[in-house]
Parts: sequence; C-alpha cells; structure tokens
Amino acid sequence: GAGVSQSPSNKVTEKGKDVELRCDPISGHTALYWYRQSLGQGLEFLIYFQGNSAPDKSGLPSDRFSAERTGGSVSTLTIQRTQQEDSAVYLCASSRGDRVSGETQYFGPGTRLLVL
Amino acid sequence: AQSVSQHNHHVILSEAASLELGCNYSYGGTVNLFWYVQYPGQHLQLLLKYFSGDPLVKGIKGFEAEFIKSKFSFNLRKPSVQWSDTAEYFCAVTLYNTDKLIFGTGTRLQVFP
Repeated sequence: GAGVSQSPSNKVTEKGKDVELRCDPISGHTALYWYRQSLGQGLEFLIYFQGNSAPDKSGLPSDRFSAERTGGSVSTLTIQRTQQEDSAVYLCASSRGDRVSGETQYFGPGTRLLVL
Repeated sequence: AQSVSQHNHHVILSEAASLELGCNYSYGGTVNLFWYVQYPGQHLQLLLKYFSGDPLVKGIKGFEAEFIKSKFSFNLRKPSVQWSDTAEYFCAVTLYNTDKLIFGTGTRLQVFP
C-alpha cells in the first residue's frame, strides 16, 4: 500500500517567512511523528500525535514551531518567522498506534527546508 | 538525559568484509531498540528491532544485532557486506511507555567492490 507522503519535497524560503510542511500518514495509522534531521543535531524528535490524545510537544525547539493534525489523518508542521538554523530535513513517520511495545515507525521521504 | 551513541561515524569496507557497528544507550530502564537504514536517495527504513525475547535479533538483508543489557549495547553485524549495503545506519531507542525515537548520530558505511 501507499507509504507516508510529504510535501513539498523541497522548500526554499527567506529568513522571517512562515512555512507549512504537510504529512500524509499511512492509511489507518493513528500515531504520527515529526522529526528533524540536520547536520549539527542529527535526527531529533519534534512532536507526536496519538489518536485523540493531546500531542507530545516536548521536542519542539521553540514557540515558532507548531503542528496540528486534522481529522486524525493529515498533519501540518508550521514554522513561523523562519531562521537559518531551521534549515534541515523534516521527516514525518506514522505507526499503527496500537501501543504495542516496539512498534515500528514508517518514515516519509522528508521535506528539505533551506532558509536563506 | 537519555542518549544514544554510535562510535563509528564513517566506515569504509571492501565487499565480503565483516561489519560491526557499535551502539550504546544511556538509560537504566526498559527500552526498545532499533536499527534504521537510509540508502542514498531513499527513506529511512527499519532494518531490525528488539523489544523482548531472544536478545539476538535477525533483520533484513542478512543483518543481525545483539542486545547486551549489561553493556547497554545493541551492536549491528553482518558477516559479509555487499556494495549495495552502502548507506547511513541509525541506532535508536524508545523508552518504556513512550513512542518517540531517540536516535544516534548515524554511521555512514561505504562498501567498495
């Protein structure tokens, strides 16, 4: 079946502009995660949605970052007033959300963000 | 804070050589352990995982990893690498009752024919 999809695949923006990144999880997956992959920091957790529960936002680096998940499916990560240090690949992952130990997360291709 | 260490940042091997990539984590409680691989131009994908049972875990493409609790380690091994194994390899953990992956910094593997 279809995997996790993300759009756009690449985004170039100017410092100070807002950006929105989109993630479509695998159909039927109730858990959705955002990670960031950057040269200086490696792969970092950002935020996690599980069903109707309040999201775990503990990884968001600043209040310029926010995310929402509408209808339990598509998610949008928004970065306001972008800074050059926000340049990274933003990865989305989803899992079944069964809360089974060691559940596999399936990753999308990522959105490569460059802030000039 | 919990962390994952991968000691080898860049490994270069010839085909048919044996591979062992180190992974250590710092957390005293129950963990789930993962190795993910990212082939050039492709998504991150799961290579293998451990969550309970036999500490020797076998994954895709002939890879295996051994969980040694006393050493907080989960090293990845393959007896004979191929050129197609050229990729970046990430070790990751999830802590008990959480689902967010904590990743190591990754190991870039280059295999030459």
